[in-house]
Amino acid sequence: EVQLVQSGGGLIQPGGSLRLSCAASGFTVSSNFMSWVRQAPGKGLEWVSIIYNTINTYYADSVKGRFTISSDSSENTVYLQLSGLRAEDTAVYYCARGALGEDALDIWGQGTMVTVSS
Amino acid sequence: SSELTQDPSVSVALGQTVRITCQGDSLRTYYASWYQQKPGQAPVLVTYGKNKRPSGIPDRFSGSSSGNTASLTITGAQAEDEADYHCNSRDTTGKHVIFGGGTKLTVL
Repeated sequence: EVQLVQSGGGLIQPGGSLRLSCAASGFTVSSNFMSWVRQAPGKGLEWVSIIYNTINTYYADSVKGRFTISSDSSENTVYLQLSGLRAEDTAVYYCARGALGEDALDIWGQGTMVTVSS
Repeated sequence: SSELTQDPSVSVALGQTVRITCQGDSLRTYYASWYQQKPGQAPVLVTYGKNKRPSGIPDRFSGSSSGNTASLTITGAQAEDEADYHCNSRDTTGKHVIFGGGTKLTVL
């Protein structure tokens, strides 16, 4: 079965760091682009980051310089390292798989909540 | 432009047809994808590319595009279609991904 299982998240103080994990099964993360998307409470979806071919990465302006996306083919897992966290980073974070040959995100993880608060 | 604009809310009578729209300059170059999201759940892809549907998505869902506007049409809306619908695409640079603000669909 093709699926993404997320872990990490929780309550973190402003300025702190956290790593989110997204373990893939049923496909290899190096075969598809992978993305992170977040959703603040009561708000819409906001794209965060994308990784192609486990190497090429791009970030939303709101997180550039603070978040880092990476991929480990041996673990078949994608990570999002969050640092310099701010209250406005509070959200449910989803990882998602890019559909082959398309721009769409066809498989989504279950989401993990990150709360930034003192 | 790096924005996609959606109406915040739309309603439809049970069994009728509804169109949800998404506007943005990048849609002149890139296809939109549409996602359905129910409360407390992860988004689900419903249409993408040139009117493509993932397996398991009912054929009452269809996508289309004209100029800077992409549309999701639900033909014969069902009660279970009540949800938030989000469009997304690339921005005009092609490097970033962007989402619309989402549309809350109410089935009356």
